[in-house]
Amino acid sequence: QVQLQESGPGLVKPSQTLSLTCTVSGGSLSSGGYYWSWIRQHPGKGLEWIGYIYYSGSTYSNPSLESRVTISVDTSKNQFSLKLSSVTAADTAVYYCAREEAVAGTSLGFDIWGQGTMVTVSS
Amino acid sequence: EIVLTQSPGTLSLSPGERATLSCRASQSVSSGYLAWYQQKPGQAPRLLIYGASSRATGIPDRFSGSGSGTDFTLTISRLEPEDFAVYYCQQYGSSPYTFGQGTKLEIK
Repeated sequence: QVQLQESGPGLVKPSQTLSLTCTVSGGSLSSGGYYWSWIRQHPGKGLEWIGYIYYSGSTYSNPSLESRVTISVDTSKNQFSLKLSSVTAADTAVYYCAREEAVAGTSLGFDIWGQGTMVTVSS
Repeated sequence: EIVLTQSPGTLSLSPGERATLSCRASQSVSSGYLAWYQQKPGQAPRLLIYGASSRATGIPDRFSGSGSGTDFTLTISRLEPEDFAVYYCQQYGSSPYTFGQGTKLEIK
């Protein structure tokens, strides 16, 4: 059974870069047919999709964050990562990694999520 | 980007009752690429419905989804105590993927 686990600092200073890693266990990130996303949830608010990566390295990010977002993959470690630069208090949120299954080019939604990690931006 | 508006914001019902949650899109959702998620406090969202009407693995058949174009509905036929949570719709037909603001289903 595939599981996802986020890891990274819980506190980041303003203007610095937020860095998180999602470790995939119980399955291979490079098996194909899946897109690996980052999604965040501001405290008490709704969900915001940040971007995704395919095991090949192709990525797509939300245009609202694109200029600050880097998503990368390390298939040897079965991990993918998020870097968000120039953070402000508005980036304080719970960050989730999630798997999106695609069958014959058709997405089946985000079927597996990590437990989420709270990141606070504060000096 | 497609804006999803969910209604009502809060729905107060009793166990055993039927719940109907609405999700309206600002433009047509391509190929019915609309999903519903359930989120309980302190937990990650759980996929309930994808493709507007297909139940995800392990989801009880009291959950059903319907709709197309810009109007979608999640129906819970007979509420169980564990169904009281926040529900989000999400479109993945066009980028960026977007979520609705959520409907809180609370016990009356």
